[in-house]
Amino acid sequence: GQQVMQIPQYQHVQEGEDFTTYCNSSTTLSNIQWYKQRPGGHPVFLIQLVKSGEVKKQKRLTFQFGEAKKNSSLHITATQTTDVGTYFCAGMSNSGYALNFGKGTSLLVTP
Amino acid sequence: DTGVSQDPRHKITKRGQNVTFRCDPISEHNRLYWYRQTLGQGPEFLTYFQNEAQLEKSRLLSDRFSAERPKGSFSTLEIQRTEQGDSAMYLCASSLVIGMNTEAFFGQGTRLTVV
Repeated sequence: GQQVMQIPQYQHVQEGEDFTTYCNSSTTLSNIQWYKQRPGGHPVFLIQLVKSGEVKKQKRLTFQFGEAKKNSSLHITATQTTDVGTYFCAGMSNSGYALNFGKGTSLLVTP
Repeated sequence: DTGVSQDPRHKITKRGQNVTFRCDPISEHNRLYWYRQTLGQGPEFLTYFQNEAQLEKSRLLSDRFSAERPKGSFSTLEIQRTEQGDSAMYLCASSLVIGMNTEAFFGQGTRLTVV
């Protein structure tokens, strides 16, 4: 079945540094979504990417979907302490309806 | 209420007991998902409903787990003969699928502890 791998598992940065997390799927995806989960909270939707090579920006966050629709990345410019949390990618395959989540990247930002 | 609601928020049960969780999705959302999450892991897909029909179920899901969504509204997840390995956060999510938009809204979850 479809597997979604995410790296790194953890990232500790100083406030103001950049951060990137990478997501790879074993199969081609119909779309990929990114979620953020704060400690003690539930996953909150950030964005969905559908098109091959798509790039979307939300303020300091940049999301990319690979040309083969099997990988994606989230880049945060100039991190802030409010960016702390775990970032998950979730892929939907062409043949199913389930959103399959990666294990997430936990981001810690120290001032 | 504008969000996904789950009840109870916490459940402690003895091994071997049955438990049932409820999820009330956002009104008129046609898709409903159940996930399980353990510490340090991503949400693990359990099952999915399109309206009242259960269209997909994880192969990892034991026969002790069953879910229903009568009338395509709220959903219940039952675990029979609970085991300590069932201890986890059980998350429900719903979405209104329009075209390619499949954004999922998660509830706060039910934390199950099996002792």
